[in-house]
Amino acid sequence: EVQLVESGGGLVQPGGSLRLSCAASGFTFSSYDMHWVRQATGKGLEWVSAIGTAGDTYYPGSVKGRFTISRENAKNSLYLQMNSLRAGDTAVYYCARAGPWGDWYFDLWGRGTLVTVSS
Amino acid sequence: QLVLTQSPSASASLGASVKLTCTLSSGHSSYAIAWHQQQPEKGPRYLMKLNSDGSHSKGDGIPDRFSGSSSGAERYLTISSLQSEDEADYYCQTWGTGPVVFGGGTKLTVL
Repeated sequence: EVQLVESGGGLVQPGGSLRLSCAASGFTFSSYDMHWVRQATGKGLEWVSAIGTAGDTYYPGSVKGRFTISRENAKNSLYLQMNSLRAGDTAVYYCARAGPWGDWYFDLWGRGTLVTVSS
Repeated sequence: QLVLTQSPSASASLGASVKLTCTLSSGHSSYAIAWHQQQPEKGPRYLMKLNSDGSHSKGDGIPDRFSGSSSGAERYLTISSLQSEDEADYYCQTWGTGPVVFGGGTKLTVL
């Protein structure tokens, strides 16, 4: 079955760190750009980071310097290391697969993992 | 700046059709977009990629009731024969040389 399954969410204090994982199955993981997208409760979708097949990484200004995306193709896994967490980072974090041929639309989504930043 | 604009809400009756709109910002009318559906308490689901010429490619298992079309900077999602499970949030999304961009979403109510 083609799927993405996130894990690693939880409660963390402001200023703390957390590492999210995304396990991919059913497709050739190494051939796709991969992304993280988040959604705060009651809000819309916000793009968080991307990693290309060659390991090139991309971030919006809101997380640049605090979040690091990485991948381990041998394990069909995507990661998001989140440091210096703030209350505004509280959200459900989704792993998403980009379409083929380098187009960054998301044709496969995970179910998400909840990150809560609170003291 | 690349921006996508969606109406916050829409409604239509069971069995009827509805057309949702996503508008690209000035200077970006040639961009393709993607439509995603998010049912209550669920993660997003990819519906289709929609090109500027109206051609589109749907995700696996997406019913024929869902179709896309384009006109200038407008991208449309039409849902026909509305069913109760179509009640959801619908997001458009695009990409360029910068960040990935999402529209604010349209909450569809099926009456």
